[in-house]
Amino acid sequence: DAKTTQPTSMDCAEGRAANLPCNHSTISGNEYVYWYRQIHSQGPQYIIHGLKNNETNEMASLIITEDRKSSTLILPHATLRDTAVYYCIVRSRNSGNTPLVFGKGTRLSVIA
Amino acid sequence: GAVVSQHPSWVICKSGTSVKIECRSLDFQATTMFWYRQFPKQSLMLMATSNEGSKATYEQGVEKDKFLINHASLTLSTLTVTSAHPEDSSFYICSARDRWGGEQYFGPGTRLTVT
Repeated sequence: DAKTTQPTSMDCAEGRAANLPCNHSTISGNEYVYWYRQIHSQGPQYIIHGLKNNETNEMASLIITEDRKSSTLILPHATLRDTAVYYCIVRSRNSGNTPLVFGKGTRLSVIA
Repeated sequence: GAVVSQHPSWVICKSGTSVKIECRSLDFQATTMFWYRQFPKQSLMLMATSNEGSKATYEQGVEKDKFLINHASLTLSTLTVTSAHPEDSSFYICSARDRWGGEQYFGPGTRLTVT
């Protein structure tokens, strides 16, 4: 699976949009971009995933650049409960028994 | 949505004793389950992959005789930390892959403290 690069940490004011970037310049054609987050002392929570089109669900939006070498996770109106470590993971949808591999992620702090 | 449970959510044990952690997929079948370990301020590290009815595959550096994994059914996997020591204190997280959909879902984690 392709490697990803994320900033170590970010701050965001409560109520503002949080934009979390991820670089995945070695992504291959059949690899998806997945985003998970981990709130302190909890298991990872799935947020969203996409291949090449922008995606939106009730939690977030995912913007993938046209060349697919980077993406941005957008939390439109961040709340204090969105404070967590956010992981960007690239992997093939048909990975068989290959597990998700976590990098260091971005620690997002939402500030009141 | 798919739910994965872990039991216990936290446990404190004395050095030298063994601890068993259960991981269950509540509303789906999982032929494959994964066990991760997470130390403070670090990311999740994969320990092992278990397939229902067969032996687990351990990552390099993880002692298979110390971390016993059993995956006897499509909804249950157990991790037993044998002869636990303080350095085994960590947050253990299991994950289950839906046999039909292929997605991977995570449990809430178990915090182990060895005194």
